[in-house]
Amino acid sequence: AIQLTQSPTSLSASVGDRITITCRASQDISRALGWYQQSPGKAPKLLIYDASILRSGVPLRFTGSGSGTDFSLTISGLQPEDFATYFCQHFHNNPLTFGGGTRLDIK
Amino acid sequence: HLQLQESGPGLVRPWGTLSLSCAVVGDSMDNFRDLWGWIRQAPGKGLEWIGTISTTGTVDYNPSLEGRVTMSLDTSTKHFSLMLTSVTAADTAVYYCARLVALDCSGTCWSWFDSWGQGTLATVSS
Repeated sequence: AIQLTQSPTSLSASVGDRITITCRASQDISRALGWYQQSPGKAPKLLIYDASILRSGVPLRFTGSGSGTDFSLTISGLQPEDFATYFCQHFHNNPLTFGGGTRLDIK
Repeated sequence: HLQLQESGPGLVRPWGTLSLSCAVVGDSMDNFRDLWGWIRQAPGKGLEWIGTISTTGTVDYNPSLEGRVTMSLDTSTKHFSLMLTSVTAADTAVYYCARLVALDCSGTCWSWFDSWGQGTLATVSS
């Protein structure tokens, strides 16, 4: 199974900050990577797919990049509603796997 | 606007069978490219893909659960289901149903979980 390693596992930041989360795949997955946001007690929401395509309705402050094995999610100008946990997920082969998550807290 | 609603017992006995259903509301299940899936999240843990099923009944299961999991789908009633047998405490989790949809097929056609149910907690305990 492809392993997705996210870093950092947790992060503290302030409103207005710019942060970057990385996701490293254990093998080449081309651009078959998505990013999800999960708020406490809620289901995940898809933010980015195909590594860098912003899902319709998602604010422009979210950007995704990368291909192959190294990917990143950047949030520019953090808003209060952005403090949540973020997961990456691949669609390269079976089994689909998720990264371990990055918890973003208010500093 | 698509909504997904999980239902099922909140408590399952050890070595019993967990059965969950997901109702598809507000949209059809007719798009042949859509897949329907289950994902779970143990308390305080990450997300684990369980499996997916197509509208033609083709299934794909996580090998870590294969042999214990069965998924089915009924487009006429707009429901799909999950059965997990021989459950233990390690199967205690919030179970989500979700739609997997190909959002951009201009190149390679990958699919993503674009709609999720609210999740249902299944606890394995005697």
